[in-house]
Amino acid sequence: GDSVTQMEGPVTLSEEAFLTINCTYTATGYPSLFWYVQYPGEGLQLLLKATKADDKGSNKGFEATYRKETTSFHLEKGSVQVSDSAVYFCALRNGGYQKVTFGTGTKLQVIP
Amino acid sequence: GAGVSQTPSNKVTEKGKYVELRCDPISGHTALYWYRQSLGQGPEFLIYFQGTGAADDSGLPNDRFFAVRPEGSVSTLKIQRTERGDSAVYLCASSIRGDVYNEQFFGPGTRLTVL
Repeated sequence: GDSVTQMEGPVTLSEEAFLTINCTYTATGYPSLFWYVQYPGEGLQLLLKATKADDKGSNKGFEATYRKETTSFHLEKGSVQVSDSAVYFCALRNGGYQKVTFGTGTKLQVIP
Repeated sequence: GAGVSQTPSNKVTEKGKYVELRCDPISGHTALYWYRQSLGQGPEFLIYFQGTGAADDSGLPNDRFFAVRPEGSVSTLKIQRTERGDSAVYLCASSIRGDVYNEQFFGPGTRLTVL
């Protein structure tokens, strides 16, 4: 079945550091890929998405590129802020299936 | 506008009891989803409704779990004979339609603790 593997956390960075959170997936066909974010005390929010190979999703300074050859969708941000502290989930949605398959989440803590 | 709401926010029950968890989707959203998030894990799909019907219930772990959406809006997730392993955060999401191009909006979840 479909699955998503992302790097374990927690990840602790200083403000303005470069962020990479690795994500790889296993799926048949051509899934859509997502990054969701969960801020402390809040619900899951869609951060960005990409629906086909080589697409780049971007939002709030975060980017991720859909790499079919490496089955990856790594999340990057050039300069993190304290307000980026949250749990980040990589996820996929495959073809006609309505469910979203999530990774286990990576907790990011940004310190001033 | 109002987002997805879930009630209660917390529920503590004893092993063997019956519980109901409620989800109010965003108005006008025809698709509704339930997920379960165990501690340290990502959400896992339980069931998807398109309108009043359960279009995909492949994620329900066993027959103790059941969900309804009788009028195509509010949904209730029902768990019979609760077990300690059912303890988790139950998330509800809704989208305008149930296709890949429509974002799923998540509620804050109900934290269920089975003692």
